[in-house]
Amino acid sequence: EVVMTQSPATLSASPGETVTLSCRASQSVGRNLAWYQLTPGQAPRPLMYGASTRVTDVPARFSGSGAGTDFTLTISSLQPEDFAVYFCQHYINRGPWTFGQGTRVEI
Amino acid sequence: QVQLHESGPGLMKASETLSLTCTVSGGSINDENDYWGWIRQPPGKGLEWIGTASSGETTRYNPSLSRRVTISMDTSNNQLSLRLTSATVGDSAIYYCVRHRGAYISGFYNPSFFDYWGQGTLVTVSS
Repeated sequence: EVVMTQSPATLSASPGETVTLSCRASQSVGRNLAWYQLTPGQAPRPLMYGASTRVTDVPARFSGSGAGTDFTLTISSLQPEDFAVYFCQHYINRGPWTFGQGTRVEI
Repeated sequence: QVQLHESGPGLMKASETLSLTCTVSGGSINDENDYWGWIRQPPGKGLEWIGTASSGETTRYNPSLSRRVTISMDTSNNQLSLRLTSATVGDSAIYYCVRHRGAYISGFYNPSFFDYWGQGTLVTVSS
């Protein structure tokens, strides 16, 4: 099983700032990496797949990068609605598909 | 636009069987190119993949739950169901129904990321 490790666990920021979230895989996953945003009371929202491809309608202030074992999600010019929990997920092989433990972006 | 809606008991007792249903609209669970599954999130914890089903392949389960879980597909009603036997307090979680997008990965067609999610349903298992 591939273990996904995210850092930091919590990130404090202010609206307008740029933040970078990290995700590390215990073995190479190529570019088979997705990011999700979870906000209380809402359905989880996929943001990114293929490490750097934005899902339809995701704002351009979200960008992803990385390959192999190290990945980042950057959120530029934080908006109030961006304060949420973010998870990464790999999708190599035929499962099991695993997630990181999440990064909370808070004010 | 694919929409998924979970329904279930909300509150149950330990040792009972947890049963949830997901009604899918805007897409057919009978399409062999699509995968459908369940993910859960215990309170204050991360996301855990439970299993993924497709009309064209064998259902896949998380090894940590495989002895207790069954996912089935009701193609006539376009519904996906989840059964988890011998529930414990540790199974308390928000349960999400998801579409697990198929993609070619290293030359093989496989589930990739989860592109549609339901709102989730909270299940509390009491002791």
